Amino acid sequence: AAGVIQSPRHLIKEKRETATLKCYPIPRHDTVYWYQQGPGQDPQFLISFYEKMQSDKGSIPDRFSAQQFSDYHSELNMSSLELGDSALYFCASSLGTSDKLFFGSGTQLSVL
Amino acid sequence: KQEVTQIPAALSVPEGENLVLNCSFTDSAIYNLQWFRQDPGKGLTSLLLIQSSQREQTSGRLNASLDKSSGRSTLYIAASQPGDSATYLCAVKWVKTSYDKVIFGPGTSLSVIP
Repeated sequence: AAGVIQSPRHLIKEKRETATLKCYPIPRHDTVYWYQQGPGQDPQFLISFYEKMQSDKGSIPDRFSAQQFSDYHSELNMSSLELGDSALYFCASSLGTSDKLFFGSGTQLSVL
Repeated sequence: KQEVTQIPAALSVPEGENLVLNCSFTDSAIYNLQWFRQDPGKGLTSLLLIQSSQREQTSGRLNASLDKSSGRSTLYIAASQPGDSATYLCAVKWVKTSYDKVIFGPGTSLSVIP
């Protein structure tokens, strides 16, 4: 069965650079969530989309933006990267609000 | 403000023991609650999902219960095995008029000793 696909798996950037993380939800899933997980921490909610519209916003820095496209894939754009942005970024998808979340394997971002 | 907590933060048990992990949440008007397992450096694997109208869900050696009125869920693991060693996270979903939000607890790190 198809799962949530995230790319890239690993990304190394330098301070002040930009990064784009991509998430391809399970086919027919219309809801996407982004989470940031620092070392030894629980996942922190960043932002979510339902039917290509932002549905909620969490602790996402102003330097970050995201969108969901017509094919339901989503991209998280991160600018002016800081050392503290180094983390594992997860994307999850679900079918509407009642279904369970399915997570991708994450993108490990390292900012040097 | 919605918050999710988990106790204990860490647990070490000998193989074969039954154990209980706890998840507590503020704002009892939840939509559903999901338990996940995470291995070090890996993604999140869904274990059980409990809808707000349900009291428990079972899958193999796992049983999750939900008591909305007291803001609690427990994950019961029977006959623990070394392969159960991982971090267990609960995630609570609230659906309101203007948003839906899923918040994770800090997790319980489980070690099952052979």
